[in-house]
Amino acid sequence: GENVEQHPSTLSVQEGDSAVIKCTYSDSASNYFPWYKQELGKRPQLIIDIRSNVGEKKDQRIAVTLNKTAKHFSLHITETQPEDSAVYFCAATAGEAGTALIFGKGTTLSVSS
Amino acid sequence: GAVVSQHPSRVICKSGTSVKIECRSLDFQATTMFWYRQFPKQSLMLMATSNEGSKATYEQGVEKDKFLINHASLTLSTLTVTSAHPEDSSFYICSARIGGFDTQYFGPGTRLTVL
Repeated sequence: GENVEQHPSTLSVQEGDSAVIKCTYSDSASNYFPWYKQELGKRPQLIIDIRSNVGEKKDQRIAVTLNKTAKHFSLHITETQPEDSAVYFCAATAGEAGTALIFGKGTTLSVSS
Repeated sequence: GAVVSQHPSRVICKSGTSVKIECRSLDFQATTMFWYRQFPKQSLMLMATSNEGSKATYEQGVEKDKFLINHASLTLSTLTVTSAHPEDSSFYICSARIGGFDTQYFGPGTRLTVL
């Protein structure tokens, strides 16, 4: 089955710096890769996603890149702000119908001002 | 739009009792709903995939007789934890998906504590 690896597990940056989180997946049939932000005790919030027919997608300070050949995708956050501090999860589709999501272990991002 | 609710938000029960958690899509019809479990400081682990009117598909290692899932309508799925034990204490989160679209919308989660 699908396996998603995520690195680093923790990331500390200064306000204004960039942050990069990387994920790899094992199932070449995966075709959808969302990124979620989760604050303590809250639901995961979708921040950006990318489909397998696209190599890069950007939304203001957030961008995601996908390398299908290498089976890895990355989240890039520029000009980080303290409110970006949270746990970030990558995920990839899996299952017979390709609809279920398998999550990485998460990255705790801390942005200090 | 695309709001998913869960009830209850918190529940405390005694060991051996059963607990039912409801997941509702409030403003859309969810052809597929998913149930996840999240232990403290860990990731979301997929428990099962539920399609309306069909039996749920459980992930390896998840006991289907212990975690009963019912998806009787396009807006409601329920997870019943039967004969709960302290090790079942966790954060249970559902998500819902509209057919033909990839995006999953998550509920706010239910904190289950089994004494």
